[in-house]
Amino acid sequence: GAGVSQSPSNKVTEKGKDVELRCDPISGHTALYWYRQSLGQGLEFLIYFQGNSAPDKSGLPSDRFSAERTGESVSTLTIQRTQQEDSAVYLCASSRTSGGYNTGELFFGEGSRLTVL
Amino acid sequence: AQTVTQSQPEMSVQEAETVTLSCTYDTSESDYYLFWYKQPPSRQMILVIRQEAYKQQNATENRFSVNFQKAAKSFSLKISDSQLGDAAMYFCAYRLNYGQNFVFGPGTRLSVLP
Repeated sequence: GAGVSQSPSNKVTEKGKDVELRCDPISGHTALYWYRQSLGQGLEFLIYFQGNSAPDKSGLPSDRFSAERTGESVSTLTIQRTQQEDSAVYLCASSRTSGGYNTGELFFGEGSRLTVL
Repeated sequence: AQTVTQSQPEMSVQEAETVTLSCTYDTSESDYYLFWYKQPPSRQMILVIRQEAYKQQNATENRFSVNFQKAAKSFSLKISDSQLGDAAMYFCAYRLNYGQNFVFGPGTRLSVLP
């Protein structure tokens, strides 16, 4: 697609429910990142996918968080048993790579705002 | 580990004036990229300007320019002729060349006063 697409734009859920957030990267971008941004704060790295390599999950805050990506296509971030502290904007970004390494800047989606009541 | 610091949580500038946002970083590497991203209230982060560390010449993009001081590990953003649409959060970011991790600073909120 023309840009990084994320859905839903806004999600309100009750504490304890599971949520899925979706990211569709720019076509041809093999690298895909998920970040979390709490209100008025900076970006917290969550997870990184590069082609078919094993993802870098070092930023996931707990085992309630997981993400999947099939090949170089759509990625889904799943949060199980949501807590109020999970409320944030979840940003997805993609980037070109060459030989498995980043060659450019990040292109971001508009984010998914999650509110846990 | 690399870190990026933005010491100004908030800044304001009068419309048509010039403002400089500060960024410092810590790295032992010599080959890397630096970026400034803008995040308006609409939330979507967009790239403002990038700088390759091996280039001595400061990058410019229209009204936006940087002052890159490699030895001092400083990468400030100058916005000339500020416009109301420049109001946003600005994030400084670092990436090692051929590295996967982008390290972001905490951001500076810029207000533009009419």
